[in-house]
Amino acid sequence: AQRVTQPEKLLSVFKGAPVELKCNYSYSGSPELFWYVQYSRQRLQLLLRHISRESIKGFTADLNKGETSFHLKKPFAQEEDSAMYYCALRGVNAGNMLTFGGGTRLMVKP
Amino acid sequence: DGGITQSPKYLFRKEGQNVTLSCEQNLNHDAMYWYRQDPGQGLRLIYYSQIVNDFQKGDIAEGYSVSREKKESFPLTVTSAQKNPTAFYLCASSMTGGAGELFFGEGSRLTVL
Repeated sequence: AQRVTQPEKLLSVFKGAPVELKCNYSYSGSPELFWYVQYSRQRLQLLLRHISRESIKGFTADLNKGETSFHLKKPFAQEEDSAMYYCALRGVNAGNMLTFGGGTRLMVKP
Repeated sequence: DGGITQSPKYLFRKEGQNVTLSCEQNLNHDAMYWYRQDPGQGLRLIYYSQIVNDFQKGDIAEGYSVSREKKESFPLTVTSAQKNPTAFYLCASSMTGGAGELFFGEGSRLTVL
């Protein structure tokens, strides 16, 4: 079975500080990993995917297959980054459906 | 304005009653999904449909039912058999089944009294 774990329910940092939201997964094959974000009063939306290897809003995430992790990082947090972040995995199981982690709420304090 | 529309946003139900949540999309997406969102548990897949007139159970389908008679619509019925129905329900769609990018609705909050 595939599983996604986000160990921190809440992460609080000051503006300008580095931020790392942790995501660990369990899956026997080669998964695709994603980060979704939900800002206050907005819909859940895709932030980035590992296959794109892109930086979105200053965030990056590297898939580490050895550690089965896909941590989301940003060197300098901004207040507008405050949101709920979900890590998600898409395996090659039947249906290829996304499995989401429990989510981490990021609060960036001024 | 393209997107996914869920209704109602808030719904109250007495125990023993069935209730249907609506989900409509005008994105011309083939696949649609229903997730349940509980604090600390993330999103859990209830049902999904990759094409009209076909749908599959997700991880927590017990006590729920769906239909997919039209491409644009994927209603979810929460039956009286669902033991803990109070939750936030999210509908999503994607271009194809199993895609990584899902487009979500604003959600429906169901409270059982």
